[in-house]
Amino acid sequence: SQQGEEDPQALSIQEGENATMNCSYKTSINNLQWYRQNSGRGLVHLILIRSNEREKHSGRLRVTLDTSKKSSSLLITASRAADTASYFCATADYGQNFVFGPGTRLSVLP
Amino acid sequence: SAVISQKPSRDICQRGTSLTIQCQVDSQVTMMFWYRQQPGQSLTLIATANQGSEATYESGFVIDKFPISRPNLTFSTLTVSNMSPEDSSIYLCSVEEGRSYEQYFGPGTRLTVT
Repeated sequence: SQQGEEDPQALSIQEGENATMNCSYKTSINNLQWYRQNSGRGLVHLILIRSNEREKHSGRLRVTLDTSKKSSSLLITASRAADTASYFCATADYGQNFVFGPGTRLSVLP
Repeated sequence: SAVISQKPSRDICQRGTSLTIQCQVDSQVTMMFWYRQQPGQSLTLIATANQGSEATYESGFVIDKFPISRPNLTFSTLTVSNMSPEDSSIYLCSVEEGRSYEQYFGPGTRLTVT
């Protein structure tokens, strides 16, 4: 069964607002990674968070990981129109099996 | 991070034909991966390609349909054989960097089968 599951499936916000996307998974993981994909192009790696980490920041991005709830969230602060994209989480277990969630389509309206 | 290129970036092919997609990395990497992304869907791993050994295919993917070559540590090819319209997808290669476990992706090849 699919490991990572994002919600919401689609999110529409105004420029300047914060966007939060969630990812849930089912089994133990080594790490969880977030990616961005613009209009069906290649994936851009955003952040990797390890199973022993609880929070990581990168610019306007903040990722949290709660291994007890098997969930992660990606927060984009002060969103911009250029943040419009699909966002995917992917989990890697200790066997290095790498599984993507279905993704969240984010639309940031000017 | 590794810089990954793919050729072709897109192609339109007739059913029954085959297409070979190339993936080039600017540094030596042990593990390379091939993914398929069907329209509006997430990514599904096709196979893992390690240099010097046979590719390892995921459930639902077979070597006869998706033969893979990995002749050295910077290059791999994926062939989509005997194509049908259901093979219309974006095909992406990725690499895993050393001990960081981060996977980086190429720009993808958008394939349309008519």
